Amino acid sequence: DAGVTQSPTHLIKTRGQQVTLRCSPKSGHDTVSWYQQALGQGPQFIFQYYEEEERQRGNFPDRFSGHQFPNYSSELNVNALLLGDSALYLCASSLASSGQETQYFGPGTRLLVL
Amino acid sequence: DQQVKQNSPSLSVQEGRISILNCDYTNSMFDYFLWYKKYPAEGPTFLISISSIKDKNEDGRFTVFLNKSAKHLSLHIVPSQPGDSAVYFCAARSGGYNKLIFGAGTRLAVHP
Repeated sequence: DAGVTQSPTHLIKTRGQQVTLRCSPKSGHDTVSWYQQALGQGPQFIFQYYEEEERQRGNFPDRFSGHQFPNYSSELNVNALLLGDSALYLCASSLASSGQETQYFGPGTRLLVL
Repeated sequence: DQQVKQNSPSLSVQEGRISILNCDYTNSMFDYFLWYKKYPAEGPTFLISISSIKDKNEDGRFTVFLNKSAKHLSLHIVPSQPGDSAVYFCAARSGGYNKLIFGAGTRLAVHP
């Protein structure tokens, strides 16, 4: 049973560039959430996708956008990168109809902005 | 404004003894709480959860206690093992769409 997978594992970009991160949910899951974890902090909620639509968003600027595909996989896009965007980006999946609240996390993508 | 707080950044425990990790929250509307464990270079791994209508949930060596009046929950690990050494995050569910709000984490070190 494949768990949540993310690509790439590491990425280095320069200020002003754009980046796309990818996530495949755990088999059978239909909901994908994205989190940003800065060094020494807990993960912070960016947004959540269900049925190919963003249905909840955290306190992140519009530079952060996403997409969910019909196969439930998802992308996170960040435009006009800032140094402060350097962080571990985590994807989590869950099943909306299960009544269970557990989200399962992938290994993350570590983004460094220079 | 931190809604979920883990006030102890680190905890050191001897192997075989009990580890107690604490978490405080401010929002009485949280209805579900989870604990995750994180090793370096890995994503958080789900450990145990508890609904706000319960006050205790147990799974093997792990027990979570919830005190709603104090807005406090704790994770007990008995007995502690060296493999338990990791960063532990407390998380609370906010709203109907499963958005999780995390604490800053507590680094647990279990030594022989």
